[in-house]
Amino acid sequence: AQKVTQAQTEISVVEKEDVTLDCVYETRDTTYYLFWYKQPPSGELVFLIRRNSFDEQNEISGRYSWNFQKSTSSFNFTITASQVVDSAVYFCALVNAGNNRKLIWGLGTSLAVNP
Amino acid sequence: DSGVTQTPKHLITATGQRVTLRCSPRSGDLSVYWYQQSLDQGLQFLIQYYNGEERAKGNILERFSAQQFPDLHSELNLSSLELGDSALYFCASSAGPQGGETQYFGPGTRLLVL
Repeated sequence: AQKVTQAQTEISVVEKEDVTLDCVYETRDTTYYLFWYKQPPSGELVFLIRRNSFDEQNEISGRYSWNFQKSTSSFNFTITASQVVDSAVYFCALVNAGNNRKLIWGLGTSLAVNP
Repeated sequence: DSGVTQTPKHLITATGQRVTLRCSPRSGDLSVYWYQQSLDQGLQFLIQYYNGEERAKGNILERFSAQQFPDLHSELNLSSLELGDSALYFCASSAGPQGGETQYFGPGTRLLVL
């Protein structure tokens, strides 16, 4: 069975703090993809990153970075020097490769960055 | 802006009614997905179409149906509406049918059933 767990329901930080959002997944497949999406208060879902199971390199994009560790089935997301505009719900999702496979979503982590 | 458009943005209707939500995918994308987001159930996959054909089905109720037209836009029909159908409905698109492709989401349609 596939499952995505985002254990942190809500996180509150002060601006400029670093914050890490955890994502732990379960799958029996060897080929799969992991995603992070951001849902700001306006409601839209914004794609942040896609990572396949064969690429364990960490990725950095500006203040955002992702740590993928197959050994612990985790795909954690770190925001460095957080800003108020980072306040949003962040979702981690998993899908197995191949046709007709659906995204399995975590329940999301609500991040509040306070000035 | 993801390039996926959805109309209407907001919809208020009464129980028992029927509504149609519309989605236009990003230019060049052939797959369309529908999701429901509610407070108690989170994001739920409803259905996927690829180039006009149904490819995958999720937790879609029998009262709900969808189709993808030759111009690739898609419509989600919700009938015999109940209070519990109040939710945010998202459409997403991707280039092909594969599960691992990135899905780009539209802004959503917020449905309120009174």
